[in-house]
Amino acid sequence: GAGVSQSPRYKVAKRGQDVALRCDPISGHVSLFWYQQALGQGPEFLTYFQNEAQLDKSGLPSDRFFAERPEGSVSTLKIQRTQQEDSAVYLCASSEGGLTSTDTQYFGPGTRLTVL
Amino acid sequence: AQKVTQAQTEISVVEKEDVTLDCVYETRDTTYYLFWYKQPPSGELVFLIRRNSFDEQNEISGRYSWNFQKSTSSFNFTITASQVVDSAVYFCALTIAYSGAGSYQLTFGKGTKLSVIP
Repeated sequence: GAGVSQSPRYKVAKRGQDVALRCDPISGHVSLFWYQQALGQGPEFLTYFQNEAQLDKSGLPSDRFFAERPEGSVSTLKIQRTQQEDSAVYLCASSEGGLTSTDTQYFGPGTRLTVL
Repeated sequence: AQKVTQAQTEISVVEKEDVTLDCVYETRDTTYYLFWYKQPPSGELVFLIRRNSFDEQNEISGRYSWNFQKSTSSFNFTITASQVVDSAVYFCALTIAYSGAGSYQLTFGKGTKLSVIP
C-alpha cells in the first residue's frame, strides 16, 4: 500500500507570500500530525488531527500558520505572509488509531520550504 | 514535559565496525513509548522500532539491536557490522499515553548523523 505522500517536495517563496503544503496520509489512518524540522534539528510538533477534527494545535508558532483536514483525509498546512524563519522541512505523519491509541506514526518525505 | 537527548551529534565508522547510538530520555509519566527513526538523505523518516515503558526486553532485528534500560532512562541503538547504506541521521523519540490533554505527538532528540566509510 502507498505510504504518506506530500506535495510539493520543494517550495521557494518570497517573504510575504502565502504557501500551501499538502499531505496525503495512509488510506484509512485516523490520526494526522504535522511537524516542522529546522536544519540540523529534530522534528517539532505543530498540530494534530483526529479525522477532520483539529484536536491539538499547541505547536503552531503563530497565527500565520493554519491547518485543515476537511474530509478527514487529505490535509493542508497553510502559512500566510511567510517569513525567513519559516524556512524548514515540513513533515506530515499519519497513524492508524485515534487519540487514545498511541499508534506508531509513519512519515512522508516532507516539503522543504525556503523563504527568500 | 518530555525531553530526549542524543549527545552524539556525528559519528564516523569504517564499514563492518559496530556502532552504538545513545539516547537518554526524561518524562514524569509511567506509561510512555520510545521510538527510533532513520532519516536518509532523501529526507523521509523511516520507522525502525517502538518500545513501551513496561517492556524492557532488548530486541534484535538483523544487524540492529536495542537496549532499553529504565534505571538509566536510556534506549540505545547498536548497528552490528555497519554498511554504507546505514549512513543517515538517526532520531530517538518519545511519546506518552494520552492523559486528557494534547495528543500523542512525538518529542524528538536532535539526531545523530552516522557516516559509514567504505
